[in-house]
Amino acid sequence: KAGVTQTPRYLIKTRGQQVTLSCSPISGHRSVSWYQQTPGQGLQFLFEYFSETQRNKGNFPGRFSGRQFSNSRSEMNVSTLELGDSALYLCASSLRPGATQETQYFGPGTRLLVL
Amino acid sequence: AQTVTQSQPEMSVQEAETVTLSCTYDTSESDYYLFWYKQPPSRQMILVIRQEAYKQQNATENRFSVNFQKAAKSFSLKISDSQLGDAAMYFCAYRSRWTGANNLFFGTGTRLTVIP
Repeated sequence: KAGVTQTPRYLIKTRGQQVTLSCSPISGHRSVSWYQQTPGQGLQFLFEYFSETQRNKGNFPGRFSGRQFSNSRSEMNVSTLELGDSALYLCASSLRPGATQETQYFGPGTRLLVL
Repeated sequence: AQTVTQSQPEMSVQEAETVTLSCTYDTSESDYYLFWYKQPPSRQMILVIRQEAYKQQNATENRFSVNFQKAAKSFSLKISDSQLGDAAMYFCAYRSRWTGANNLFFGTGTRLTVIP
């Protein structure tokens, strides 16, 4: 079974631009979570989607948004990029949120550099 | 809010030896899950081991085992017979059981070096 895939793997943008990242979960997984990883702030939760609905959101400004499609694929969008948005963005999928024995499986990440 | 603390930014171990990575957490919840994830240079997060707080028995996965002390809110990872492939960043993580949400709270990580 294929793992979680994320595209693109690397991205360079300039301040003020917007960016869209994509995540395809493991087949059969319907829950997708996004995390931001930076040297200064570590790993921080962005949001979680299940059945095309955002179930949970971390403490990030409204410039960060996401969505999930009927095939469980998810996208996250960052508008008006700032230098501090440079990070590794990780996507994780699981069968459904919060279930017993539930495990999140992570993708390889998208590394975003904002110049 | 839940917080996870890893007080050892870096650790090193000789190949074939044993090393223990420390993790403490703070929560007011009585039931939750704890995880150790490994992040090698490839940056892909890999689940190493998980522990359910309602289980008293410490989890074990091959060379990896945990020492879960619920009262002390401590969750350490022991790696036995260390191998070169164990070199990575190790993150301790917490997840609530009752909120139905999947979000993980991570510690700041411990960089493990394995010396040949």
